[in-house]
Amino acid sequence: KQEVTQIPAALSVPEGENLVLNCSFTDSAIYNLQWFRQDPGKGLTSLLLIQSSQREQTSGRLNASLDKSSGRSTLYIAASQPGDSATYLCAVQAAGNKLTFGGGTRVLVKP
Amino acid sequence: DAEITQSPRHKITETGRQVTLACHQTWNHNNMFWYRQDLGHGLRLIHYSYGVQDTNKGEVSDGYSVSRSNTEDLPLTLESAASSQTSVYFCASSRTGTYNEQFFGPGTRLTVL
Repeated sequence: KQEVTQIPAALSVPEGENLVLNCSFTDSAIYNLQWFRQDPGKGLTSLLLIQSSQREQTSGRLNASLDKSSGRSTLYIAASQPGDSATYLCAVQAAGNKLTFGGGTRVLVKP
Repeated sequence: DAEITQSPRHKITETGRQVTLACHQTWNHNNMFWYRQDLGHGLRLIHYSYGVQDTNKGEVSDGYSVSRSNTEDLPLTLESAASSQTSVYFCASSRTGTYNEQFFGPGTRLTVL
């Protein structure tokens, strides 16, 4: 059974510092990995999707890498801002279009 | 703009009552999913559908049912609500085919007393 882990569960950084969020998964037979952002009381916003054949994906200040063989993905957020404060979730997609989620990392960016 | 909506956004009900949560998407996506989110368990898949008349059980389907009569809607029914079903419920959709990006609705917070 696929298990997805995100460590740390919470992270606090000063504004301007780069954020590094980790995601690990136990079964490397995935088709893609998706990173989401969730604000308190809100739904999930898709940030980046990396196909299994890709090594990284970039969107603005966000960069996500994928090492399928070692079961790891990292989300980098450059020059963090208070508006980046949220919970970040990673999810892997395997057979049947089903997503398996990690528990999330709650990020606080202090002004 | 295309979107995915859920209603109601908040619902309080009593144990034993039947409850239906609505999900409507205007993306014209064939794939639709229902998840629940709980502290300590993260998001877990309840049911999913790949198209009209197609429904499948997910990881935590006991006590829930879905039906798909058109492309746009996938209502989730709790047949006899239990306190263990107090949760936040999210609907999602993705394009036809496999392994495409999923887009999520805003969620429904359900409390079963």
